[in-house]
Amino acid sequence: AQTVTQSQPEMSVQEAETVTLSCTYDTSESDYYLFWYKQPPSRQMILVIRQEAYKQQNATENRFSVNFQKAAKSFSLKISDSQLGDAAMYFCAYSKAGTALIFGKGTTLSVSS
Amino acid sequence: GAGVSQSPSNKVTEKGKDVELRCDPISGHTALYWYRQSLGQGLEFLIYFQGNSAPDKSGLPSDRFSAERTGGSVSTLTIQRTQQEDSAVYLCASSFHLGGSYNEQFFGPGTRLTVL
Repeated sequence: AQTVTQSQPEMSVQEAETVTLSCTYDTSESDYYLFWYKQPPSRQMILVIRQEAYKQQNATENRFSVNFQKAAKSFSLKISDSQLGDAAMYFCAYSKAGTALIFGKGTTLSVSS
Repeated sequence: GAGVSQSPSNKVTEKGKDVELRCDPISGHTALYWYRQSLGQGLEFLIYFQGNSAPDKSGLPSDRFSAERTGGSVSTLTIQRTQQEDSAVYLCASSFHLGGSYNEQFFGPGTRLTVL
């Protein structure tokens, strides 16, 4: 069975600094997708970034980028130039095409000014 | 356009009562998912509907939980004889399913269920 592990329950960063959230996963599949979701106190899950496993190039979305290491089954999220609005719970997730998401336990990110 | 909506936003019930939670997916989305978010278990998959296919119920924790999707649109998650451990946020997501390719799941705001 596939599993997703986030080993950092809480992280903190100062405004304008960079922070990296860690995620590892376990699967025997070769074709799959990885995601980072953000959940602010409003509870609304927001997709931050996704990575297709068949792509070697790391995904980037503005200030958010990932470090995808397929052999190591590692998928970390880097947030650059952190902003107060980045404070939220971040979930790493895995799925095959057209299947349910498997989530990690989440990392609570706090941002201080 | 309208996103995924869920009702009620919050529900407080007494142990042993039945509850119904509603999800309105994005119009035209063929796939609908229910997840549960609780303090102890994190985010867990419950059930998945795709078009007219039989639903994937593999995540339902007990036979007290059931769900249906009428007319390929609105879905209702029913919890019978609620227990305190059912207290959680229930999230619904929908996507436009194209077989074999990635389809983003769009989430609703969730229903917070509290069982006293």
